[in-house]
Amino acid sequence: GNSVTQMEGPVTLSEEAFLTINCTYTATGYPSLFWYVQYPGEGLQLLLKATKADDKGSNKGFEATYRKETTSFHLEKGSVQVSDSAVYFCALSIAGGTSYGKLTFGQGTILTVHP
Amino acid sequence: DAGVTQSPTHLIKTRGQQVTLRCSPKSGHDTVSWYQQALGQGPQFIFQYYEEEERQRGNFPDRFSGHQFPNYSSELNVNALLLGDSALYLCASSLGVGLENQPQHFGDGTRLSIL
Repeated sequence: GNSVTQMEGPVTLSEEAFLTINCTYTATGYPSLFWYVQYPGEGLQLLLKATKADDKGSNKGFEATYRKETTSFHLEKGSVQVSDSAVYFCALSIAGGTSYGKLTFGQGTILTVHP
Repeated sequence: DAGVTQSPTHLIKTRGQQVTLRCSPKSGHDTVSWYQQALGQGPQFIFQYYEEEERQRGNFPDRFSGHQFPNYSSELNVNALLLGDSALYLCASSLGVGLENQPQHFGDGTRLSIL
């Protein structure tokens, strides 16, 4: 089956520090990969996506590269801000077939950024 | 442009009761998916509706049922509530069920507490 594994959390950083959140996946097909962010008391917001190998998704200073050879989609940001404090979810979806449109999520990584 | 809206925002029920949660998709979207997010976990896929039919279903018992209306809005019904049904229930909408992985847009969720 399909699964997503995120790095153990939570992650605590000082403002302007470099961020990496690791994500690896197992998929029976050829997945699209996503990062979603969830702020306290809110639903999930799409942060970025990549639909094929070597694609780089980017948004709001965050980046992630689809690495098929290592089945990974690590999230990075060069300089985090206090406002980036949230829970980050890595997810995959398989195009076509019976699993289409179903998002499979990792367990989430809590990020706290201190001033 | 209204995003995905869910109602109610919070709900308290007792064991054995039944509950109905509602979702209006983002304007222009025709597909609705429901997810259950237990505290501290990633969302788990419940089912997906398109053209008023259940298209996919996750690993949830028959106590969980749904409906989609001609205006694309949707309901999630849960019968015989258990303590373990306490969670945040998220609705997500997207466009179509074609081969392209259209990103899903999430509402803020309904927090269901079972006493």
